[in-house]
This record gives sequence, structure tokens and C-alpha cells, in this order.
Amino acid sequence: AQSVAQPEDQVNVAEGNPLTVKCTYSVSGNPYLFWYVQYPNRGLQFLLKYITGDNLVKGSYGFEAEFNKSQTSFHLKKPSALVSDSALYFCAVSQRGYQKVTFGTGTKLQVIP
Amino acid sequence: ETGVTQTPRHLVMGMTNKKSLKCEQHLGHNAMYWYKQSAKKPLELMFVYNFKEQTENNSVPSRFSPECPNSSHLFLHLHTLQPEDSALYLCASSQDSLAGEVYEQYFGPGTRLTVT
Repeated sequence: AQSVAQPEDQVNVAEGNPLTVKCTYSVSGNPYLFWYVQYPNRGLQFLLKYITGDNLVKGSYGFEAEFNKSQTSFHLKKPSALVSDSALYFCAVSQRGYQKVTFGTGTKLQVIP
Repeated sequence: ETGVTQTPRHLVMGMTNKKSLKCEQHLGHNAMYWYKQSAKKPLELMFVYNFKEQTENNSVPSRFSPECPNSSHLFLHLHTLQPEDSALYLCASSQDSLAGEVYEQYFGPGTRLTVT
């Protein structure tokens, strides 16, 4: 079985400040981890993924995520938030040999000017 | 644009109607997916196709009937739906996962379905 948790429904951050969106996961094997973003009236867009290797993964639009195996976490980060980053962010997990990707419930990021 | 298109973008249908949702991908992928997105709920995987063959059916009611005539097109046929089926239906595509690897998915904009 696999699962993912996004403990915060909403995160508010001031423009220019660093942001973190939290994600923890549970899988029986080695995880494949993803972050997606959804803007209003749009589908999800892929941001970045972790399969193996360096624990810090860099993705689109200046986002990065840190894989922490001992804490089973994959938090999304950005050094300086933009108002245009305001959107719904989804963490997702799968594992080798699985057809299914399990998505979290999403975290709404609000960047305040 | 993500290379995945969906039509129609909005659909209102009565419980006795029959309608179809269409998805097309221009990315050369061999796997396609249908998801249901409801407010305050995780994204629900409905169906997965690899190379036109259905490889996953996530216990979806039979009033939803998928069809994948080729690797670029995916349909979701709807009949005798219930009001609780109102949601955003998302199509996605990716490289196929038959060799065990898991690839990122590319999503269409979705069809906002309202069942009255």
C-alpha cells in the first residue's frame, strides 16, 4: 500500500519570503515522489520528481524539494515566493512496478503582496 | 499548453442522458489515465491504459465506460449518472509504465461535469 499526506490545507507567505509546502509519504519499497501545481480552471502541471540520487531535487519555476528518507518527507521549497506562485500544490507517490500514483489532498498556497 | 486536450470543457447533463468526454494527447505517450477531482478530496484514479489496453480499473461504477481506440485518444462514456458524480474529470498521459518505471504525467485542463 502507499499513501501521501499534506498536513496543511493552506499556507500563507509574504511575497519575497521563502516558502515550504509539506508532504510525508508511506510506501513499502523505494518511492517515486512528485510535485504538481494546479492553477484555477487548469489541469495539474508537473513540477519535479525524485527517483534516486541527490536528495535535493530542482524543478520548474525555481521550485525545489528535499527528500528525507528517515522522516519519509518530500517538502517543496522556494527561496523567494512570487504572487504568481499562488495555486494548489499536490504531492504524489508511487513505487517501481505500480501503475497507480497516489496524490495528496493538495495545499493551497497564498502569496501575499 | 501541456499537449493534452479535453473536450468539452464544461458539461451539464441530466441523470438519464448519455454523453462522452474526449481526451487527445500530442506527446507520443503510450499510457493514458482518467481521474476524478472533487472538492476537498484526493485525486481519484479511475482508469489506466497502456498501449490501448486497460491495465487498471479502480473499482469504478459501470455507469462510467472508458474507451481507448489508439494511444493518442481516450474517451469516457457516461450514462445514467448520479448528482454525486459531479466533479472535474481530468485526463492525463505519460510514458508507459509496463517496464516498472513510473513517469510524470501530463494533464489536460479537465471537463467540469454537472449532473442535474
